[in-house]
Amino acid sequence: EVQLVESGGGLVQPGRSLRLSCAASGFTFEDYAMHWVRQAPGKGLEWVSGITLNSGAIAYADSVRGRFTISRDNAKNSLYLQMNSLRTEDTAFYYCAKDISGYSYGGGFNYWGQGVLVTVSS
Amino acid sequence: SYVLTQPPSVSVAPGETATITCGGNNIGSKTVHWYQQRPGQAPALLIYSDHGRPSGVPERFSGSNSGSTATLTVSRVEAGDEADYYCQVWDSRGDRVVFGGGTKLTVL
Repeated sequence: EVQLVESGGGLVQPGRSLRLSCAASGFTFEDYAMHWVRQAPGKGLEWVSGITLNSGAIAYADSVRGRFTISRDNAKNSLYLQMNSLRTEDTAFYYCAKDISGYSYGGGFNYWGQGVLVTVSS
Repeated sequence: SYVLTQPPSVSVAPGETATITCGGNNIGSKTVHWYQQRPGQAPALLIYSDHGRPSGVPERFSGSNSGSTATLTVSRVEAGDEADYYCQVWDSRGDRVVFGGGTKLTVL
């Protein structure tokens, strides 16, 4: 059974940093691209960042580029999102998602974690 | 940047057919995926690559994509289909994944 479990969320002040983790199991993690998608409370889905299977290609939404860094450790079956210079508008549920593809982002996200809440507030 | 446009809401009576559209510039040349998100749950892949159905998704759900509009069709709508539905593409030119704004399906 595929499982994606996010952790690391919480309440943080504007301007501070937070690191999210996603522990993957039930599939060969190193064979697939992975993504972070967020959803502000009561709002729609917003893609944040994606990383190909070997970290050879990384992409970011304009809203987070330069502040967030995605990474993965295939030996630990883990995906990460380092979030710096956090803003109140970054408040959202953050989901880890598995791509159908390995080397591209065009295949759709066939598994999602349950999400972790990040609240940016003073 | 590439934009996907969905109607905010669609309402349909049980047993009827719901049609949810996703508009985008020449979207027919892209590969479209659809997600269902029930209240309080994570999104789930509903349709991939325009019309593919993951294992476990009922045949009542179907997708199509041509020209400037992709369409999700839900036949014989049931109360349990009440959810938010999102379309998604990969915008290779902008090197980003794009989601539509979402459509809330209400079963009357």
